[in-house]
Amino acid sequence: DAMVIQNPRYQVTQFGKPVTLSCSQTLNHNVMYWYQQKSSQAPKLLFHYYDKDFNNEADTPDNFQSRRPNTSFCFLDIRSPGLGDAAMYLCATNWGTGGPDTQYFGPGTRLTVL
Amino acid sequence: SQQGEEDPQALSIQEGENATMNCSYKTSINNLQWYRQNSGRGLVHLILIRSNEREKHSGRLRVTLDTSKKSSSLLITASRAADTASYFCAIDTGGFKTIFGAGTRLFVKA
Repeated sequence: DAMVIQNPRYQVTQFGKPVTLSCSQTLNHNVMYWYQQKSSQAPKLLFHYYDKDFNNEADTPDNFQSRRPNTSFCFLDIRSPGLGDAAMYLCATNWGTGGPDTQYFGPGTRLTVL
Repeated sequence: SQQGEEDPQALSIQEGENATMNCSYKTSINNLQWYRQNSGRGLVHLILIRSNEREKHSGRLRVTLDTSKKSSSLLITASRAADTASYFCAIDTGGFKTIFGAGTRLFVKA
């Protein structure tokens, strides 16, 4: 009964080699979020989709892109990973109705950059 | 920064003791939430308290909110070894952005 699924759980890539992380949800939620979390730090919002509308945070590097081909799936593309991009990447979803609304998180993908 | 500030950064207690974590923030909020994260995993929602509420309970969890002081606390009573995790407060200021604090790492010794 997994609700937010992230694949892979662990990803190793080389410096500068593009990588794609995947998130899928069975909740039919309108909003999907991508967070970056470095060790012992707060999750940092990179961007979110409300349905097909993409919303980028002002301080998210251009190196990070996202795609949402349908309601269920959302992808995080890192075009040229640097050593500083090694982190846990968390996907989350919610309804986005404007009222009090909790987020449902996936288990995360741990990215290592060699 | 609007980010929630949490203290303590780390807390070590014996099983059966109570654990209290505090969160302070700088902006007006719609609601405040607490999440739990086990090591290397995603976050799990624990409890949400609205800006017009002062206290909320859920099982062994008690959350208070003081909007005049812009602070919240999470109390876990009768802690268990399985409560060992990081706990994050998250503030909702409206829109789609939830701002997380840096978290309190709780270690409960059996």
